[in-house]
Amino acid sequence: AQSVAQPEDQVNVAEGNPLTVKCTYSVSGNPYLFWYVQYPNRGLQFLLKYITGDNLVKGSYGFEAEFNKSQTSFHLKKPSALVSDSALYFCAVRDLLYNFNKFYFGSGTKLNVKP
Amino acid sequence: NAGVTQTPKFRVLKTGQSMTLLCAQDMNHEYMYWYRQDPGMGLRLIHYSVGEGTTAKGEVPDGYNVSRLKKQNFLLGLESAAPSQTSVYFCASSGTSGRAYEQYFGPGTRLTVT
Repeated sequence: AQSVAQPEDQVNVAEGNPLTVKCTYSVSGNPYLFWYVQYPNRGLQFLLKYITGDNLVKGSYGFEAEFNKSQTSFHLKKPSALVSDSALYFCAVRDLLYNFNKFYFGSGTKLNVKP
Repeated sequence: NAGVTQTPKFRVLKTGQSMTLLCAQDMNHEYMYWYRQDPGMGLRLIHYSVGEGTTAKGEVPDGYNVSRLKKQNFLLGLESAAPSQTSVYFCASSGTSGRAYEQYFGPGTRLTVT
């Protein structure tokens, strides 16, 4: 079965500090992994994805994520947080082999960056 | 290139009324999706389509119907609205290669049923 877990409902970090938003996944086949960001009263915006290749992927707004197959994780990171990074973040997985039609989303993590 | 657009942006219905939400994409994507987002519930898949003329049920399909008569459009219908259908509805599309692997989302429709 396919699923995504975001264990933290909320992450608080001070501006300028590094941030990590955690995501673990479960798929039957090969995972395509994604991070999206949602600002208040807006739709979800694509941040980055892992399809194949280098385990460290870089995306928009200075975010990056590391694919770890052994730990089935895809944590979102940024070296230095900005107040403007405050938003709701969703991790998602698409199963290449067994259920390519659907995306499975985590429950979301609210990131609060304080000045 | 407008991406994914949704019509309308806001709507208030009375219980028992019907309405149709329209989603359009101009990226020639095969896949289209309807989600609802409720506080504390994340995104829940209502229905989806893998191509023109095809539809399939998602996680929470009851009370909704969909149609995809043209590849670029995906309609979500509420035949008899209920207060439990008060939510924010998002449409999304995706393809099968390259930059189309990820989903592209519309701006959402905020629906209130009184």
